[in-house]
Amino acid sequence: AQSVTQPDIHITVSEGASLELRCNYSYGATPYLFWYVQSPGQGLQLLLKYFSGDTLVQGIKGFEAEFKRSQSSFNLRKPSVHWSDAAEYFCAVGGDSGYSTLTFGKGTMLLVSP
Amino acid sequence: NAGVTQTPKFQVLKTGQSMTLQCAQDMNHNSMYWYRQDPGMGLRLIYYSASEGTTDKGEVPNGYNVSRLNKREFSLRLESAAPSQTSVYFCASLQGRGGYTFGSGTRLTVV
Repeated sequence: AQSVTQPDIHITVSEGASLELRCNYSYGATPYLFWYVQSPGQGLQLLLKYFSGDTLVQGIKGFEAEFKRSQSSFNLRKPSVHWSDAAEYFCAVGGDSGYSTLTFGKGTMLLVSP
Repeated sequence: NAGVTQTPKFQVLKTGQSMTLQCAQDMNHNSMYWYRQDPGMGLRLIYYSASEGTTDKGEVPNGYNVSRLNKREFSLRLESAAPSQTSVYFCASLQGRGGYTFGSGTRLTVV
């Protein structure tokens, strides 16, 4: 069975500091990996996705993530956090099919301090 | 704007009442999904429809039914609501490898 672990429930980062959110996955075949962001009271927005090729993927809002197969990880990074990045972040894993069902982690809440 | 539309946005039900959550997408996507989101639990898949005319159970299907009315619409029905079904419900659609497009959610409270 596929699963996603986000070890950090909450993270607080100072504005302007760098950010790394951790994600570990379990999947029996080649995983397709995603990061989504959710602002309070809103739906989920896709930040970036990895299917194959370059293991460092760029997303929207200055985010990037690196796929490390040996560590079963897909960590999300941003060099300099802005107050508007405060939100909940979800990592998800799925497979290569036309109707892939994604399994989500439990989320990491990012708080940004002044 | 193109996307996934969910109605209603908010609903309060009494235990035992029934209701249908509506979802429609205008992106001509083949696959549609219903998830529920609970604090500290992430999103859990209730049901999905890989294509028009097919539906399958997800991780937490008990107490729910779905209908894929046509390619655009995928509804979720609670036949006899229970307090444990208090949650935020998200509909999503998918075409190929583009990642899900989510609706804005329905906040359901069962008292």
